Amino acid sequence: GAVVSQHPSWVICKSGTSVKIECRSLDFQATTMFWYRQFPKQSLMLMATSNEGSKATYEQGVEKDKFLINHASLTLSTLTVTSAHPEDSSFYICSARNNRGSNQPQHFGDGTRLSIL
Amino acid sequence: TQLLEQSPQFLSIQEGENLTVYCNSSSVFSSLQWYRQEPGEGPVLLVTVVTGGEVKKLKRLTFQFGDARKDSSLHITAAQPGDTGLYLCAGARYSSASKIIFGSGTRLSIRP
Repeated sequence: GAVVSQHPSWVICKSGTSVKIECRSLDFQATTMFWYRQFPKQSLMLMATSNEGSKATYEQGVEKDKFLINHASLTLSTLTVTSAHPEDSSFYICSARNNRGSNQPQHFGDGTRLSIL
Repeated sequence: TQLLEQSPQFLSIQEGENLTVYCNSSSVFSSLQWYRQEPGEGPVLLVTVVTGGEVKKLKRLTFQFGDARKDSSLHITAAQPGDTGLYLCAGARYSSASKIIFGSGTRLSIRP
């Protein structure tokens, strides 16, 4: 089945560091990718939606200059958390979908646990 | 305010018992999905319902989409410890069908 790979799966870094998370669709073309954030014991909150070759659309309350999203190819999207602080510590999950054809499902990665010290 | 509210938030029952999880909204959805998530992993899709009143079965799990497409339920028969996890409903709205919004989640624990 369709597979989405996230890397790294776990990262710890110092406050003020910028961290890049990669999301790759391994066996299909991801025309749209989604980035979610999940705090402990909570549900997934959509941060932004990106279409290949276009600027990402951010949800209300999500700072676009803080969370930089690039979706330059049909198989790769990146999320960069700039100048990360402890409050940015969370579980970040990407998902990908091929919008060509109706009722295409979203495929989720296994998430990246980010801890800022 | 959560667009999709799930109830209960937490549920701990004995193995063999039945349970129902509810997902409610005041909005209409073009489709609704149920996922299960294990700690440290991404959510895994269980089912998608698209027609009002639709019922789908997946072994001991029964999913129903409300007639008005505003709510859904997940019923588990004879729960097993392997059913333990976070259950999430997620809906796609007609106005923004390109993205899905997740419900508040139900954390289920099945005791042996």
